Amino acid sequence: EADIYQTPRYLVIGTGKKITLECSQTMGHDKMYWYQQDPGMELHLIHYSYGVNSTEKGDLSSESTVSRIRTEHFPLTLESARPSHTSQYLCASMEFTGEKLFFGSGTQLSVL
Amino acid sequence: SQKIEQNSEALNIQEGKTATLTCNYTNYSPAYLQWYRQDPGRGPVFLLLIRENEKEKRKERLKVTFDTTLKQSLFHITASQPADSATYLCALHTGGFKTIFGAGTRLFVKA
Repeated sequence: EADIYQTPRYLVIGTGKKITLECSQTMGHDKMYWYQQDPGMELHLIHYSYGVNSTEKGDLSSESTVSRIRTEHFPLTLESARPSHTSQYLCASMEFTGEKLFFGSGTQLSVL
Repeated sequence: SQKIEQNSEALNIQEGKTATLTCNYTNYSPAYLQWYRQDPGRGPVFLLLIRENEKEKRKERLKVTFDTTLKQSLFHITASQPADSATYLCALHTGGFKTIFGAGTRLFVKA
């Protein structure tokens, strides 16, 4: 089983609040990703990282930001949450020369 | 535009039958294609990978085919069980560090 953890599992928060979604992996993987998924829809890549101090925006425009200060940790931050940010956020990792993604269980975010 | 298409309608089959799911893609030339399983409220779990030079790949009750001319992959579950009920996602590696996913097909296996 993949050792990649996301917290919190569920978050209900008011508009305008700053939030950070946590993602940690214990596999030593260099590559990490954040995907956003709405019910019945495909996963959209919003951020990815090749390694420490490397971050890139994905294909879906997002108002969130990420950081990669340690290999195992890849948090996602929303400075000011809005109802349009309501979605499931999935974190994943992959070995640098790997081919398959390991996903966390996701954070279901609801912004009221 | 680049696109991955999977049957949006749910697939309902009887236990013991073979489930066949389809993945079609356009405007990609993927080095390999993957299938993932996703249960409600959980992250996807990797099942199988098939490369562009492979026609077929098997793993236990699972079989994947890959036709780069048709730009299509078929995913088969033989002797299906109620525990196979889930959403199955097709994913393409587009080069670099990105993996692109389809919306998935929901499978229901009735006992």
